[in-house]
Amino acid sequence: AQSVTQLDSQVPVFEEAPVELRCNYSSSVSVYLFWYVQYPNQGLQLLLKYLSGSTLVKGINGFEAEFNKSQTSFHLRKPSVHISDTAEYFCAVSDLSSARQLTFGSGTQLTVLP
Amino acid sequence: DADVTQTPRNRITKTGKRIMLECSQTKGHDRMYWYRQDPGLGLRLIYYSFDVKDINKGEISDGYSVSRQAQAKFSLSLESAIPNQTALYFCATSDRPTSGSGNEQFFGPGTRLTVL
Repeated sequence: AQSVTQLDSQVPVFEEAPVELRCNYSSSVSVYLFWYVQYPNQGLQLLLKYLSGSTLVKGINGFEAEFNKSQTSFHLRKPSVHISDTAEYFCAVSDLSSARQLTFGSGTQLTVLP
Repeated sequence: DADVTQTPRNRITKTGKRIMLECSQTKGHDRMYWYRQDPGLGLRLIYYSFDVKDINKGEISDGYSVSRQAQAKFSLSLESAIPNQTALYFCATSDRPTSGSGNEQFFGPGTRLTVL
């Protein structure tokens, strides 16, 4: 079975500051990794995904994430946040062997302060 | 037009009532999913379907049933709603996993259900 842990439920940060949202996963097989964003009153939108290849993945809106196999982590980063980045962020994992399901973390609420 | 639509967007009902939430997609995907979202718990999988004849229980299927009427339509029913089924419900779709897509899922806007 696979699982995802998002270590911070709430992350407040000032505008133009850098941010890192942490995600750790556990799985007995190789995985696909995803970050989704949910803006208020909306569905989930894909930010970025890691399937294979380069461990540094770039996504939309200036976000990037780095896959670290030895630490089983997939942390999300942005060098300078904007007010409009305020949203909930979900990390998700799917195993390669069957790719039958996505397992989601509990989410991190990012609040960007003026 | 949105690729994945859900109806209704909001619903308030009473304990014991039967409720159906509907999902339609125009993406041409074979796979469809129903999740519920509760604060602090993320998204949990209720049911998923890989084609019209393939329906599977997810992590939290008790109290729910589904119907895959066509490739494009996947409905979730609460036979006898109870207050702890108050949540935000999402439908999602995905294509068969490939080396280029993984298991990327596309989500509808959600249905906010309140059971009194």
